[in-house]
Amino acid sequence: DAGVIQSPRHEVTEMGQEVTLRCKPISGHNSLFWYRQTMMRGLELLIYFNNNVPIDDSGMPEDRFSAKMPNASFSTLKIQPSEPRDSAVYFCASSFHRGASNQPQHFGDGTRLSIL
Amino acid sequence: TQLLEQSPQFLSIQEGENLTVYCNSSSVFSSLQWYRQEPGEGPVLLVTVVTGGEVKKLKRLTFQFGDARKDSSLHITAAQTGDTGLYLCAGAERAQKLVFGQGTRLTINP
Repeated sequence: DAGVIQSPRHEVTEMGQEVTLRCKPISGHNSLFWYRQTMMRGLELLIYFNNNVPIDDSGMPEDRFSAKMPNASFSTLKIQPSEPRDSAVYFCASSFHRGASNQPQHFGDGTRLSIL
Repeated sequence: TQLLEQSPQFLSIQEGENLTVYCNSSSVFSSLQWYRQEPGEGPVLLVTVVTGGEVKKLKRLTFQFGDARKDSSLHITAAQTGDTGLYLCAGAERAQKLVFGQGTRLTINP
């Protein structure tokens, strides 16, 4: 079975440019999560969706960040304009949510973003 | 936001030795998960513990959830080079929302 698919795997761009990260969750999963991982701050939750609806975006750093989930099989995380401090590995994860139980999250292999 | 502290941050030992990694918080979590992450890949779930005092075993790995559900430990017996990786604990702040520790970077030397 295909896991969570993220693209691109690597992105290098200059500050001020728009960056779009893409994620395809596991088929049948109804929850999708965007995380950012850095050496200094570890793995941080940015935003998550249930049934394509954003539930908690309190981790989004600022208005330069936005995320969408137009359908159950696709999500984007956009940074505009990008800044060097946005450099990190961005992970997408999906899970099948039912009730209050905590289901395992399945992570993609991440997008390594470098803003020059 | 609840915080999770892992210790040690780095650990390098010889193959065959035993080790324990700790995950501590001042807050109570409804459940706690342990993940392992290898370079260039995303974290992969190892185990979920839910009940205070719960112990789960996964081959040579033993996971324990503290009685008060504020802390957890991971014990590896007779470590192997394949155990090398970044070990992350994650507490469920509420259903679905996970708070991750900084991780323990484990290196097993042959």
